[in-house]
Amino acid sequence: QQQVKQSPQSLIVQKGGISIINCAYENTAFDYFPWYQQFPGKGPALLIAIRPDVSEKKEGRFTISFNKSAKQFSLHIMDSQPGDSATYFCAASMRTGFQKLVFGTGTRLLVSP
Amino acid sequence: NAGVTQTPKFRILKIGQSMTLQCTQDMNHNYMYWYRQDPGMGLKLIYYSVGAGITDKGEVPNGYNVSRSTTEDFPLRLELAAPSQTSVYFCASSGTGWNSPLHFGNGTRLTVT
Repeated sequence: QQQVKQSPQSLIVQKGGISIINCAYENTAFDYFPWYQQFPGKGPALLIAIRPDVSEKKEGRFTISFNKSAKQFSLHIMDSQPGDSATYFCAASMRTGFQKLVFGTGTRLLVSP
Repeated sequence: NAGVTQTPKFRILKIGQSMTLQCTQDMNHNYMYWYRQDPGMGLKLIYYSVGAGITDKGEVPNGYNVSRSTTEDFPLRLELAAPSQTSVYFCASSGTGWNSPLHFGNGTRLTVT
């Protein structure tokens, strides 16, 4: 019940296309859902996050869509660029004091020029 | 601004050896974390600390120990290294807000042979 399932494991998208990464969770106590971006040789860095009281959050070309009833959330990257090539991790935690994130297994995105 | 600094970047250990992975942060964050990252497995929390002198186990603590004598430093100790501890280790820190982003170091790649 503590798992966050992420798909696909890898994704190849052409430059200018839309990249979509999906995550699903079981624990209904989760109420904070961040996405982290990781470039090779670096640690992950926070990209964008959402709370379950909104269905969508957009920051530039990055959008999180959230479906509370289905217990699913997804990351959409519009107009994907080669510089977006990285590994993306979804995560979930409860907003009770210490932020104990449960991470998905990651999606390796390659944007071809 | 250095952020979170991890040393060493790479290390090869023989089975049964011990070592300490160093982590220091200069952001005055109270919360610090150790994660391990294995291919296709995402990030798993090993230990965390909510302040100097306070540590607690995460999801995969066996074979590891930590200490937190200062706000800045959070070393991870491996005793009697085993091949199963071959991984990339990330240290992170965050503020105390429920949505404070985790700031990760660039990782230590450890191989146990």
